[in-house]
Amino acid sequence: SQKIEQNSEALNIQEGKTATLTCNYTNYSPAYLQWYRQDPGRGPVFLLLIRENEKEKRKERLKVTFDTTLKQSLFHITASQPADSATYLCALDTTGTASKLTFGTGTRLQVTL
Amino acid sequence: GAGVSQSPSNKVTEKGKDVELRCDPISGHTALYWYRQSLGQGLEFLIYFQGNSAPDKSGLPSDRFSAERTGGSVSTLTIQRTQQEDSAVYLCASSPFGGADGYTFGSGTRLTVV
Repeated sequence: SQKIEQNSEALNIQEGKTATLTCNYTNYSPAYLQWYRQDPGRGPVFLLLIRENEKEKRKERLKVTFDTTLKQSLFHITASQPADSATYLCALDTTGTASKLTFGTGTRLQVTL
Repeated sequence: GAGVSQSPSNKVTEKGKDVELRCDPISGHTALYWYRQSLGQGLEFLIYFQGNSAPDKSGLPSDRFSAERTGGSVSTLTIQRTQQEDSAVYLCASSPFGGADGYTFGSGTRLTVV
């Protein structure tokens, strides 16, 4: 069966460090992968999309990599700030028709001073 | 509107009652999705609309769940004869067409069945 796995353990890092979150998937070859941020009591917010033919994508302090051989995406936040504390979700289209996204369970990031 | 609007934001209902949850997507977004998120769990897909049609309703958990969309805009998710396991946050999202450019989510409706 198709699986999307994110580290369920919370990631605690110090302000100013780089946070790296992992998303692994099995039994599928998605055309693209997306990352979202979710704060408590709110809906997820779209951050970045990376396509299968892209190795890396950047947006301000965010960087996403996509390794289709390893079936893995890494999400980096450089110079992390307490305001970056949230749950980060990866999502991918498991149908091949761009009709719906399947989400991972998310990794909670806590950035401390 | 500027974002995806969902109402009510909170709903407490008695077991066995019917509830209706409303989603008002971003104007012009043809795709609309319903997900639900149980405490500490990931997002569970329920149904996808393209315009007023629902080409994928594979995530609806039982025939107590139904959804419709009218005028290519507002959608209503109806849960009949609610059960305690229906308690969750129901999230609606929309996108211009399909999901390739990211979804915009509403803040959700927190449903509690007592």
